[in-house]
Amino acid sequence: EVQLVQSGAEVKKPGESLKISCEASEYSFNTYWIAWVRQMPGKGPEWMGTIYPGDSDTRYSPSFQGQVTISADKSIRTAYLQWSSLKASDTAVYYCARQARLLHYYMDVWGKGTTVTVSS
Amino acid sequence: DIVMTQTPLSLSVTPGQPASISCKSSQSLLQSDGKTYFYWYLQKAGQSPQLLIYEVSNRFSGVPDRFSGSGSGTDFTLKISRVEAEDVGIYYCMQSIQLPWTFGQGTKVEIK
Repeated sequence: EVQLVQSGAEVKKPGESLKISCEASEYSFNTYWIAWVRQMPGKGPEWMGTIYPGDSDTRYSPSFQGQVTISADKSIRTAYLQWSSLKASDTAVYYCARQARLLHYYMDVWGKGTTVTVSS
Repeated sequence: DIVMTQTPLSLSVTPGQPASISCKSSQSLLQSDGKTYFYWYLQKAGQSPQLLIYEVSNRFSGVPDRFSGSGSGTDFTLKISRVEAEDVGIYYCMQSIQLPWTFGQGTKVEIK
């Protein structure tokens, strides 16, 4: 079964760094883009950016450019989303999702989400 | 960014009755290849979004035929012919014609 397994919930303080992960299984990891999607409490999903593990081509939404870093390690079939200095406003559920193309397609497989809570 | 606007924001439906949700995009989603890159997702409580409809009117694998999508250009509609209890959740529209991909604000469907 095609799966994206995300790392567990995190509780952090403002200013701390964080890296969450998304491990893929049962499909060709290098040939699908992996997107990260933020969902703040009570709000709709927001597409943050995406990476193509085959060559590490990465694209960001302007809203998230410079705020987060997306990366991937194809040797262990894992994508990452990281922050260098968290803010309270980063509190949200973060999903990874597979997309077959950069444009003109859909996200068909989603992880279960990683809840990130940032509070002093 | 392309703005996706859904109406209504909430809907209460009697089981067995139809339901309809509208989504309007701020730009046309029709690409030069003739396809329209518009999608519907359903997010059930505590779950990840799941794809229902792709390219306006195509049901994704396993989606019941009581769900149907229609529309063109900037105006789209999702219809549920006979709502069932398992259809409760928040429905989102999404576009992928241009980066960043964007979602509507969601329509919450509940059972009366």
